Amino acid sequence: DSGVTQTPKHLITATGQRVTLRCSPRSGDLSVYWYQQSLDQGLQFLIQYYNGEERAKGNILERFSAQQFPDLHSELNLSSLELGDSALYFCASSVGGSNYNEQFFGPGTRLTVL
Amino acid sequence: AQSVSQHNHHVILSEAASLELGCNYSYGGTVNLFWYVQYPGQHLQLLLKYFSGDPLVKGIKGFEAEFIKSKFSFNLRKPSVQWSDTAEYFCAVKISGAGSYQLTFGKGTKLSVIP
Repeated sequence: DSGVTQTPKHLITATGQRVTLRCSPRSGDLSVYWYQQSLDQGLQFLIQYYNGEERAKGNILERFSAQQFPDLHSELNLSSLELGDSALYFCASSVGGSNYNEQFFGPGTRLTVL
Repeated sequence: AQSVSQHNHHVILSEAASLELGCNYSYGGTVNLFWYVQYPGQHLQLLLKYFSGDPLVKGIKGFEAEFIKSKFSFNLRKPSVQWSDTAEYFCAVKISGAGSYQLTFGKGTKLSVIP
C-alpha cells in the first residue's frame, strides 16, 4: 500500500458523458501527478499540481481538466468521453517540488467508455 | 522532448535464469532515471533510481541497474529471477533540475517467470 488512494476503482460509462476521478495523496505530500495508461500509448503524464497550483501539463486533452483542493486531494475531470479515453488513470504524489522526491503511485482507476 | 525506449515487450524466463531488460532514453541533458515494477493487479512501485554518483545502482529485491551515459542506457538486471518477479517493468526518466518533475515512461516490458 503506497498511501495514495484513488476512487472509484472501476468506472464504466458511455461516450459523451463526463466523469470525475478522485485522488488522495499520501499524508504530507504536496504534489499530485496524473498519468494515463493505455495499451497503445503506454503510461503518459497528464498534469501536475503542487500545493493547489498547476505546475506542469503533459499530454492532457482540452476535454480533460484537473484541480487540487485546499486539503490537497485532487480530481481529474474527463468530459465528452470517447472510446479512446478508456484507460487506467493513475495518480501519484510526492512530498514536494524537489527533484529528489520519489513519486508514490495509487492503485489507479480503470475507465471503460462504451 | 525526452523519450524512453524499452526494447523487449515480453520476456519469458525460467526460474534462476539471469535477467537484463533494456532501456534507452533520448535527452541530451542531465536526467534522473528510474525503474518501476507493477505486479499483477497492483500499483506501480519504485525498484531503484539513479540521480548521480556511482552508475551502478542497487535496488530492492536483488535488482540493479547500470547507467551508461555514452549509450543513453539504464538497463535493469537481476542475476537469478524468481517466479514472484513476474510483473511488468517500466523504465522512466525525469529531466534533472527542471521546474516540473513528471516522469516519462517507456512502454513497459512484461516479464513472465516459469517455475
